[in-house]
Amino acid sequence: QSALTQPPSASGSPGQSVTISCTGTSSDVGNYTYVSWYQQHPGRAPKLMIYEVSKRPSGVPDRFSGSKSGNTASLTVSGLQAEDEADYYCSSYAGYNKVFGGGTKLTVL
Amino acid sequence: QVQLVEFGGGVVQPGRSLRLSCAASGFTFNNFGMHWVRQAPGKGLEWVAVISDNGSNKHYGDSVKGRFTISRDNIDNRLYLQVNSLRDEDTAVYYCARDPGWGWDFDYWGQGTLVTVSS
Repeated sequence: QSALTQPPSASGSPGQSVTISCTGTSSDVGNYTYVSWYQQHPGRAPKLMIYEVSKRPSGVPDRFSGSKSGNTASLTVSGLQAEDEADYYCSSYAGYNKVFGGGTKLTVL
Repeated sequence: QVQLVEFGGGVVQPGRSLRLSCAASGFTFNNFGMHWVRQAPGKGLEWVAVISDNGSNKHYGDSVKGRFTISRDNIDNRLYLQVNSLRDEDTAVYYCARDPGWGWDFDYWGQGTLVTVSS
């Protein structure tokens, strides 16, 4: 069982927006601004998409955005594109520990 | 460009040991903390261990504490993970990843090396 809770699946049509939630506790998501999101395509290494709740690394499209409220963080993908179909993992710093969500499989219909 | 290449995985019997290596290039290795993250087949990501840029600080995930040891060689630009007393549940792809300097995140990853624990 993962430390952070994500829905196992999410879906949307091209051009639509989809939001993936990530629920933790006051020991991780609720206590730190170090919440990040990773995208993983099948057979590939994960890729950092969002860090520090809402910042995007260079090269990540601004269609990807992050937010946090209390113990729950969210990733929103706007203007869905076929290449966005992948697994998405949230993670949080948790005081000399790093925890992940179980992952959400995003399907572009 | 930043490149991380892991090797050393393979099939190993329960209770045995293995040393994983990660060769780093394309950046100043001794300026960055480094992590190991693993992923069991068909499962999610699990953080394993972190080592600071100079190797003086190390931390481990609860499931590997006391069995795994992370180390680094800043001369040869190599990261290591000594895995002892292997269990079936240690079967996973092991990734090395660079820490960009905030919140124990991972901005570059290797392609991973598969460790299979099986009798």
